[in-house]
Amino acid sequence: AQTVTQSQPEMSVQEAETVTLSCTYDTSESDYYLFWYKQPPSRQMILVIRQEAYKQQNATENRFSVNFQKAAKSFSLKISDSQLGDAAMYFCAYRRARREGGSEKLVFGKGTKLTVNP
Amino acid sequence: DAMVIQNPRYQVTQFGKPVTLSCSQTLNHNVMYWYQQKSSQAPKLLFHYYDKDFNNEADTPDNFQSRRPNTSFCFLDIRSPGLGDAAMYLCATSRRDGYTFGSGTRLTVV
Repeated sequence: AQTVTQSQPEMSVQEAETVTLSCTYDTSESDYYLFWYKQPPSRQMILVIRQEAYKQQNATENRFSVNFQKAAKSFSLKISDSQLGDAAMYFCAYRRARREGGSEKLVFGKGTKLTVNP
Repeated sequence: DAMVIQNPRYQVTQFGKPVTLSCSQTLNHNVMYWYQQKSSQAPKLLFHYYDKDFNNEADTPDNFQSRRPNTSFCFLDIRSPGLGDAAMYLCATSRRDGYTFGSGTRLTVV
């Protein structure tokens, strides 16, 4: 079974600084997707960034970028120029590539609570 | 905007009293999921529908049931809620690679 591990229960960063959240995963599949989701307190789970395993290039979305190391099964999230609104719970998630006519579930890590200090 | 809507946002139910949570979507996604998220924990998949096909996770208690009368709506029924069922319940939809989550229903059992 696939597992996702986030080893940092909590992280903090100063406003405008850079922070990196760690994620490792375990799978025997070669084709899959990795995600980072943001969940503010009592609010909706929002997709931050997505990475396809077959793409070597690291995904980037504005201030958010990932360091995807497929051989090491590592998928870290870097947040640059941190803002107060970045404070939230961040979940790393894995999904196997969808089979024809099938559906695949997201497997989540336990999350990292990010605090942004003014 | 197309979205996933969960009602209500907050639900209080009595111990042992059946409760139903609802989810609707305007995305026309064929897959709908129900996740349970307890405080400070990762969301845990309970079950999902691929079109009308129901897929239960092996460790989902029998106390939890689901209905999907049409593409747009999906319901989570908890037949006899216990104190341990207090959690946030997240509905999500997907079609290809993208998931969309609702805002969740926070269930309190008293």
